Amino acid sequence: GQNIDQPTEMTATEGAIVQINCTYQTSGFNGLFWYQQHAGEAPTFLSYNVLDGLEEKGRFSSFLSRSKGYSYLLLKELQMKDSASYLCAVLDSNYQLIWGAGTKLIIKP
Amino acid sequence: GAVVSQHPSWVICKSGTSVKIECRSLDFQATTMFWYRQFPKQSLMLMATSNEGSKATYEQGVEKDKFLINHASLTLSTLTVTSAHPEDSSFYICSAREGESYNEQFFGPGTRLTVL
Repeated sequence: GQNIDQPTEMTATEGAIVQINCTYQTSGFNGLFWYQQHAGEAPTFLSYNVLDGLEEKGRFSSFLSRSKGYSYLLLKELQMKDSASYLCAVLDSNYQLIWGAGTKLIIKP
Repeated sequence: GAVVSQHPSWVICKSGTSVKIECRSLDFQATTMFWYRQFPKQSLMLMATSNEGSKATYEQGVEKDKFLINHASLTLSTLTVTSAHPEDSSFYICSAREGESYNEQFFGPGTRLTVL
């Protein structure tokens, strides 16, 4: 079966750095997405990785290792507004998005 | 970036009534639209995928006669929840994709449905 694992919840301090991990086992791989979702709102796109390596975009970076079935989202200089759920999703061989359950990130002052 | 709208944002209805939710791509042609449902503290659950002008493909366990999807144009898809019941109360989110299958999905703001 297809499976995406990410921690249920993480807590971090304002101004710090946090890394949210995602491991996946899917039938094929055509890329991995990270989305941010605030409570009661729809997800918003953060990043897309299809090749191994690190993609940096401002305070957010995303890393992918296809051989390990592993990705992480790195958030730097955390702000209170970063409190949200972070969803990892993999595009499988049928180009269907397989969603993780999401990681709820709590930022403390 | 591309914009997707949903209407209504929230709706409260009585059990047994039908509710229609519209999803529109405002500045691009949505070749494919997706309908998701999300229960509190759970991840997105794909309900169905629809391509313009053809019948929707429903995920396993989703009743196609209960959740009617119409993707009549490249900018509009509708989801009708027929004979809604309290267990259908959820957050319904649509997303739209232009062109190739590896392109990003753009999400609408979601519709919160409460069935009394």
